[in-house]
Amino acid sequence: QVQLQESGPGLVKPSQTLSLSCTVSGGSISSGSYYWSWIRQPAGKGLEWLGRIYSGGGTNYNPSLKSRVTISVDTSKNQFSLRLNSVTAADTAVYYCVRHFYGDYNWGPGTLVTVSS
Amino acid sequence: DIQMTQSPSSLSASVGDRVTITCQASQDSRKYLNWYQQKPGKAPKVLIYDASNLKTGVPSRFSGSGSGTDFTFTISSLQPEDIATYYCQQYNNVPYTFGQGTKLEIK
Repeated sequence: QVQLQESGPGLVKPSQTLSLSCTVSGGSISSGSYYWSWIRQPAGKGLEWLGRIYSGGGTNYNPSLKSRVTISVDTSKNQFSLRLNSVTAADTAVYYCVRHFYGDYNWGPGTLVTVSS
Repeated sequence: DIQMTQSPSSLSASVGDRVTITCQASQDSRKYLNWYQQKPGKAPKVLIYDASNLKTGVPSRFSGSGSGTDFTFTISSLQPEDIATYYCQQYNNVPYTFGQGTKLEIK
């Protein structure tokens, strides 16, 4: 069964770039027809979809992030990654990586990223 | 964007009660809706996909119905382990969007 695990710095300074990776085990990131998404959740609040990448490389992003977000895939490491530029305190959240195809969703456990000086 | 309006935002019910949560989409979402259960400190877990399909391994007291813009999630007989926050999510269009959540408590 596929498993996902987020990794990256837990603390990022304002105006800097948040970078997270998601390592996929139990399956190849380049096989099948899956999408690979990032979703975040501020403490005590709801869920926000940030964007997705298709196994073929195409991407879609949430317009609310105003072009600050980039998602990429590294097939050699069986990982996909999130970069979020110009972060502020409002970007403090638990970040989840997710594999999905229609209603078939697999979530990582999530990683807390705090934006603070 | 498709806005998902979920209600109620919180709900208190007794063990054995029937519990219903609704989600209304601002545009046609066809059948492409998930219902999630999230417990504190955990990732959301899909219970229902494609609006009415029960995910394998999920107890049959959970069910979903609806299509288009109006969706319903039901727990037929509330159990203590069902205490959680529940979310709907449409995946018909990007950006995918979620309801605001329903926090379910035991009375």
